Amino acid sequence: EDQVTQSPEALRLQEGESSSLNCSYTVSGLRGLFWYRQDPGKGPEFLFTLYSAGEEKEKERLKATLTKKESFLHITAPKPEDSATYLCAVQVSGTYKYIFGTGTRLKVLA
Amino acid sequence: GAVVSQHPSRVICKSGTSVKIECRSLDFQATTMFWYRQFPKQSLMLMATSNEGSKATYEQGVEKDKFLINHASLTLSTLTVTSAHPEDSSFYICSVNLAGGPQETQYFGPGTRLLVL
Repeated sequence: EDQVTQSPEALRLQEGESSSLNCSYTVSGLRGLFWYRQDPGKGPEFLFTLYSAGEEKEKERLKATLTKKESFLHITAPKPEDSATYLCAVQVSGTYKYIFGTGTRLKVLA
Repeated sequence: GAVVSQHPSRVICKSGTSVKIECRSLDFQATTMFWYRQFPKQSLMLMATSNEGSKATYEQGVEKDKFLINHASLTLSTLTVTSAHPEDSSFYICSVNLAGGPQETQYFGPGTRLLVL
């Protein structure tokens, strides 16, 4: 069964304290892996798409990496405005559908 | 990316009534849209895939007669929750599939909060 697991469930960081969020997946075939940011009461905001192992994408303080089994979202020197829930989704080969993980709720303290 | 809107953003209704939620793709034509439901502190669960000009495809366990989907144009899909009950209270989010080229990314609307009393 195709499955996506994110860890940790929640994370509290001090401003400037770098860390990583994990997304582990088990799928029959990976078409793409996607990272989104979701603020409370809002829809997910697209961050990155990764397609193959070894691929990396960066945007400001965020960097996403991909292996054959997992993806990491690295947050460097986070700021309070980075506080949000970060969602990982995988798209299985042969389908448009996404399978979402349960997300990591990040809180960055000033 | 794609810009997606939803209307209304919040709705409160009485049990037994029907509620219609609109999802619009503002800057490109979407042949495929998706409807998700999200309960508090849980992730997004796909309800159905909305296909322009044809019947929607529902996920296992989602009642097609309760959640009516109409994708009448390339920019509009509607979800109607019929005979709503308190357990239907949730956050409903639509997305459009920006296909073509190397990326097939979904862009999401802002969501609709439904509260059934």
